[in-house]
Amino acid sequence: DAGVTQSPTHLIKTRGQQVTLRCSPKSGHDTVSWYQQALGQGPQFIFQYYEEEERQRGNFPDRFSGHQFPNYSSELNVNALLLGDSALYLCASSRTDGARGEKLFFGSGTQLSVL
Amino acid sequence: GQNIDQPTEMTATEGAIVQINCTYQTSGFNGLFWYQQHAGEAPTFLSYNVLDGLEEKGRFSSFLSRSKGYSYLLLKELQMKDSASYLCAVSPSTGYQKVTFGTGTKLQVIP
Repeated sequence: DAGVTQSPTHLIKTRGQQVTLRCSPKSGHDTVSWYQQALGQGPQFIFQYYEEEERQRGNFPDRFSGHQFPNYSSELNVNALLLGDSALYLCASSRTDGARGEKLFFGSGTQLSVL
Repeated sequence: GQNIDQPTEMTATEGAIVQINCTYQTSGFNGLFWYQQHAGEAPTFLSYNVLDGLEEKGRFSSFLSRSKGYSYLLLKELQMKDSASYLCAVSPSTGYQKVTFGTGTKLQVIP
């Protein structure tokens, strides 16, 4: 049973460029959450997708957008990249019909470096 | 809003016991997660506490006091492989599964 998979694992971009990160959730999961983790910090919630719609959003600008496909996979798009966007981007999947304490399963992340 | 505090770094000796504390202030609370994250890897689930008290799971135990907004993770018989960051995270009582993480405690286990 494959867990959460993310691609690419590493990415280098320059300021002003755009980037797309991809995530496939764990089998049986229908909800995808994206987190940004700066070096030495905890993951910061970006947004969550369920039924192909953004259900909740953290304190991130509109440059951060996403999408969920019918097969529950998801993309995170970041436009007009800034140096401060350099971070590890984590995708986490879960089941919406699970109990409220349904644990998140994380992918290994995409390490984004903006030069 | 939610505020989660935990120590930035801790050092402990192999074979010893270490307690990692976490305090939280939140407008809505259902339960508290602990995750382990090795450097360069994804966070992995350790425990989830909803009720007050201690829950034991092998070498790891987690405690919660809802009235005090306090939790701790207890690691016994420390091993070198326990060197990692330990993330405390809060699950809300309303809305959807937006889990909020603390900054993490980096634990170094020394021989």
